[in-house]
Amino acid sequence: EVQLVQSGAEVKKPGETLKISCKGSGYSFTNSWIGWVRQMPGKGLEWMGIIYPGDSDTTYSPSFQGQVTISADKSISTAYLQWSSLRASDTAIYYCARASPYHYMDVWGRGTTVTVFS
Amino acid sequence: EIVLTQSPGTLSLSPGERATLSCRASQSVSSTYLAWYQQKFGQAPRLLIYGASSRATGIPDRFRGSGSGTDFTLTISRLEPEDFAVYYCQQHGSSPHTFGQGTKVEIK
Repeated sequence: EVQLVQSGAEVKKPGETLKISCKGSGYSFTNSWIGWVRQMPGKGLEWMGIIYPGDSDTTYSPSFQGQVTISADKSISTAYLQWSSLRASDTAIYYCARASPYHYMDVWGRGTTVTVFS
Repeated sequence: EIVLTQSPGTLSLSPGERATLSCRASQSVSSTYLAWYQQKFGQAPRLLIYGASSRATGIPDRFRGSGSGTDFTLTISRLEPEDFAVYYCQQHGSSPHTFGQGTKVEIK
């Protein structure tokens, strides 16, 4: 079964660092794209960026470029989303999803809730 | 950046009725790169349609995608109780791979 298992909910303070994870199984993680999507409370889906774990080729949405870092470790079939300095406005659910060669997202993780408050 | 505008914002219908959801793009999108997702409350999104009209694995045939260019449509022929949810379109051919703002299909 194809699965993406995301790390657990996080509660952080502004200015702190954070790295959340997304572990793939049941398919070739190295040869499939992984995308990240933000959903702020009560809002819609926002595409953040995408990475190809095979060579770490990464594309960011301009809205998120410089705000987050997407990475992957193909040796452990895990993708990451990290912040160097969190803000309250980063409070959201973050989903990872496998993306097909055409980049539609066909398998989704359950999401990681990130709450940032002082 | 391609902007996707979904309409209506909310659709109030009864089970058994037909739902027609629209997704309009600010510039032409190849049909290959238009997808639809369903998100139920408290759950992750689920892929419904890819390539504008191909149903994803396990998606019942009451869901139909159509359209081309700048105008795309998701039709649910007869609403089942489990279909009441929020639906998003996404273009994934041009970065950033933008989503529409969503259409909520609610029980009337």
